Amino acid sequence: TQLLEQSPQFLSIQEGENLTVYCNSSSVFSSLQWYRQEPGEGPVLLVTVVTGGEVKKLKRLTFQFGDARKDSSLHITAAQPGDTGLYLCAGRRSGGGADGLTFGKGTHLIIQP
Amino acid sequence: KAGVTQTPRYLIKTRGQQVTLSCSPISGHRSVSWYQQTPGQGLQFLFEYFSETQRNKGNFPGRFSGRQFSNSRSEMNVSTLELGDSALYLCASRGQGANEKLFFGSGTQLSVL
Repeated sequence: TQLLEQSPQFLSIQEGENLTVYCNSSSVFSSLQWYRQEPGEGPVLLVTVVTGGEVKKLKRLTFQFGDARKDSSLHITAAQPGDTGLYLCAGRRSGGGADGLTFGKGTHLIIQP
Repeated sequence: KAGVTQTPRYLIKTRGQQVTLSCSPISGHRSVSWYQQTPGQGLQFLFEYFSETQRNKGNFPGRFSGRQFSNSRSEMNVSTLELGDSALYLCASRGQGANEKLFFGSGTQLSVL
């Protein structure tokens, strides 16, 4: 069983559309991060959320951490071809003491011109 | 500031062989962690090193090992390679603090034939 479930697994939309991807878990996380990975490269951190209910905006990207700190969402407004990539959520479990991040399997996003 | 450097970029081995991968972290970063990425399982935590000591280990067999040198450079070794070890191996470094962002290298793509 995957600790962090991401949905949808694949998403292909037209340029200019809006979209939301989700990251859900039954476990509580002390913090949650979102990464974007392009083919042939390592993941690049987009944002870290640490407080339940927190909302962070990064230009056209809006990240939300659930009140119970078990889930998160990423909303992209007016998607552009440059947003294409693999979006990964990753969390550090509360009280786990482990420094290793737990990653979801990711959402493959394709924005068609 | 130079990023995280991983060598080699690509590697082809046969079953039963062993392999060593190298990672040079960002200057000043003392924490180095390793992840395995496959299409089926996504990103999975292997281990983390800090100041030459293994701080945490993921759920991988003993064939996977690592070490860190006094200059913070790290190596991971996989012995008795299996077909299922084919994956992208990613190294990440981070600075001090629990929520310090991870900086990933571009990875080593290992193919086991």
